[in-house]
Formats: sequence, C-alpha cells, structure tokens
Amino acid sequence: DSGVTQTPKHLITATGQRVTLRCSPRSGDLSVYWYQQSLDQGLQFLIQYYNGEERAKGNILERFSAQQFPDLHSELNLSSLELGDSALYFCASSVTGLAAIYEQYFGPGTRLTVT
Amino acid sequence: GENVEQHPSTLSVQEGDSAVIKCTYSDSASNYFPWYKQELGKGPQLIIDIRSNVGEKKDQRIAVTLNKTAKHFSLHITETQPEDSAVYFCAASNSGAGSYQLTFGKGTKLSVIP
Repeated sequence: DSGVTQTPKHLITATGQRVTLRCSPRSGDLSVYWYQQSLDQGLQFLIQYYNGEERAKGNILERFSAQQFPDLHSELNLSSLELGDSALYFCASSVTGLAAIYEQYFGPGTRLTVT
Repeated sequence: GENVEQHPSTLSVQEGDSAVIKCTYSDSASNYFPWYKQELGKGPQLIIDIRSNVGEKKDQRIAVTLNKTAKHFSLHITETQPEDSAVYFCAASNSGAGSYQLTFGKGTKLSVIP
C-alpha cells in the first residue's frame, strides 16, 4: 500500500458527461501528479500541483482540469467525455517537487469507461 | 521533450534465471531514473531508482545501471521468482526543467515460468 488513495475505483459514464476523480496524497506529501494510462499511449503525465498551486502541465486536454485543495487532496475534472477518454487515471504524490526530485508513489487508480 | 524507449516489450524467463530490461532516453539533462512494477489491477509500484551521479544501485535481487554517455539505463533482476511476473516501466525525469514529471517507457511484460 503506497499510502495514496483514489476514489472511485471504477467509473462508467456516457459520452458528453462530466466526472470528478479524487486523490488523497500520502501524509506529508505536498506534490500531486496526475497520469493517464491507456493501451495506445501508455503512461502519460497530465498535470502537477504543489501545495495548492499548479506546477506543470503535460498532455492534458482543455476539457480536463484539476485543482489541489488546502488539505492537499486533489481532484481531476473531466468534461465533455469522449470514448477515447476511457483509460486508467493515476494520482501520484511526492514529498516535494521544487528543489530536488523525490520519489513518486502511485495510487491504485480510477478506471474510467466512457460508453 | 523527453522520449524514453524501452525494450523488450515482452520477456519470458525460467524461474531462477536473470532478466534484463533496457531503456534509452533522449534528454541529456534528465537526472532521475525510477523503475516501476505494475501488477494487474494495481498502480505502479516504485521498486528502485537511480540518480545521475551514480552508475549502479542494488537492492537485494534488483539492480539498476546507468550509462549517462550513452543515455541508457537497465534493470537487472536475478534469481527470478513467479511473483516477479508483472509489467515493468522505466521512466526519466529532469529536475532542472522546473517540474518533476516522469516520462515513461512503454513497458515490459515479464513472465517468469515456474
């Protein structure tokens, strides 16, 4: 158990809908990262937050957004869902992400199925 | 941006034999190289990592080597056991880029045959 929790574990929804994925980082970790895992694209970085502020953006669609709250949990919002958004979404956390690289620990993921 | 290539995509070994997975990266500024193990239905689990100031690191049956000149790094698993069967991912990161996002290889499915 990495200490990173994600809810829900599974999510099934229809095209055009909006969903919210939630992540709680390990105790003491200030950085949260979101990754998408699909069969064709592999594991891809979406976005990073550090202590409530957006730190970096990767291959994140404009239909997707995220935020990190004062208690450090993070939410990934996916809107106007398309079939191609079906994937595993992982959250990872690390102690910090400013002055040095620290290990990233992954949660169990949320499997999103868009029908 | 960074690009990480990983080989082979599948690997089958007999229990007790060694397994080697290789990765190359494109950005010479990358300085952190973790390896993750992913079992079916689970998230990636960090198993070992290496930083650019070190050439080799070992943890029991697992070792990682880094060749900065050639821009490649490898995972070595000795005395493989059935529970080593999983998908392994290499990744690279560059602390100087301001973010510590990981760029992953496509993964290697390791099967250890009893």
